[in-house]
Amino acid sequence: QITLKESGPTLVKPTQTLTLTCTFSGFSLSTSGVGVGWIRQPPGKALEWLALIYWNDDKRYSPSLKSRLTITKDTSKNQVVLTMTNMDPVDTATYYCAHSVVVVAANLYYFDYWGQGTLVTVSS
Amino acid sequence: SYVLTQPPSVSVAPGKTARITCGGNNIGSKSVHWYQQKPGQAPVLVIYYDSDRPSGIPERFSGSNSGNTATLTISRVEAGDEADYYCQVWDSSSDWVFGGGTKLTVL
Repeated sequence: QITLKESGPTLVKPTQTLTLTCTFSGFSLSTSGVGVGWIRQPPGKALEWLALIYWNDDKRYSPSLKSRLTITKDTSKNQVVLTMTNMDPVDTATYYCAHSVVVVAANLYYFDYWGQGTLVTVSS
Repeated sequence: SYVLTQPPSVSVAPGKTARITCGGNNIGSKSVHWYQQKPGQAPVLVIYYDSDRPSGIPERFSGSNSGNTATLTISRVEAGDEADYYCQVWDSSSDWVFGGGTKLTVL
């Protein structure tokens, strides 16, 4: 049974750095074809993919946010950490982490398990 | 960057068929995945690889993908199907891409 849970601050000030941790169980991030991604959703708005780390430590970032994001993994702790610098009120959103299935040969890249999400508010 | 276009809203009467489209340049050459999101909940995968259903998803949910349009079809719509639906693809230049979402209203 795969589960993921996000943790981190609920409130950050503008210009601060946000650090979110995704703690998961039921799979290993060292298994081929597995990834963990971060997706956010501002209140009332659409999903936006942010970053993803693959089993082989390949890291991918949203082009529009690449300069502000860093994703890392700790396989022994079953955790993935996302940092986002220079936070702004427009970054207020629910942040989700999700387990991804990757089959490169079949061009299959999707999220099959999601965490419950954590709401992060950016305000002074 | 690769863009996915969805209608903001679709309305359907109970028992009828809902079709939610997802448009993208030559999207038929990509694998399309669909997520259902109910208010206050995390998204749930309902269709992957254009038309496959994960375990536990009713057969009423189906998908197709050709040309520049992918479609999520929900047959015999129920009140419980009311939700936001998002399509998603992977693109070599944009990586993981989500559509803007479609709110399905059951009349």
